Amino acid sequence: NAGVMQNPRHLVRRRGQEARLRCSPMKGHSHVYWYRQLPEEGLKFMVYLQKENIIDESGMPKERFSAEFPKEGPSILRIQQVVRGDSAAYFCASSLQPGLAGGGSYEQYFGPGTRLTVT
Amino acid sequence: DQQVKQNSPSLSVQEGRISILNCDYTNSMFDYFLWYKKYPAEGPTFLISISSIKDKNEDGRFTVFLNKSAKHLSLHIVPSQPGDSAVYFCAASEWGNNDMRFGAGTRLTVKP
Repeated sequence: NAGVMQNPRHLVRRRGQEARLRCSPMKGHSHVYWYRQLPEEGLKFMVYLQKENIIDESGMPKERFSAEFPKEGPSILRIQQVVRGDSAAYFCASSLQPGLAGGGSYEQYFGPGTRLTVT
Repeated sequence: DQQVKQNSPSLSVQEGRISILNCDYTNSMFDYFLWYKKYPAEGPTFLISISSIKDKNEDGRFTVFLNKSAKHLSLHIVPSQPGDSAVYFCAASEWGNNDMRFGAGTRLTVKP
């Protein structure tokens, strides 16, 4: 009964390189969320995906950031041309169903996070 | 725009006493609230939730109180244990909306 898995746990990139963060949701979960936590700050919503669809990317920076959740395989958060300000912990969460009136399990279960350091 | 605020960055209590963590929100459309607990180097884990149709929800040592008129909620832990030492995040959303807003967190230290 594996939980949400993220890899790598730690990622070091030089400025200008690309960072790829992977997230495998809990078994049976088809809803994935990405959050970013900057030092001394709370979690900030970035994007919500279902299989093959981006549902809500209102928290995603307009440039350099993209996310996907293909039919097969993990969800990927991709950051192109990283800058020092991208250094943060990136958490993925999954849920069984989003909040549905009258039922559904809304709680999101988080992975251990990927700590990205840009040098 | 910080719609969910946890104004106390840290809290220290003695083992066995009550811990009270506070959270305020500004968006009156929020109707579902959650508390998450986070240990270092781990992801947040869900602790307890409450919907706006209730003003209290209890689960063992953890109780969440919601005051809708004041747009305030609190998490009570009693009795506090050293293993409760962690960062606690308050989160809020509109039921059915995926944009869950988190507070900045409160670091709880329970001293033996």
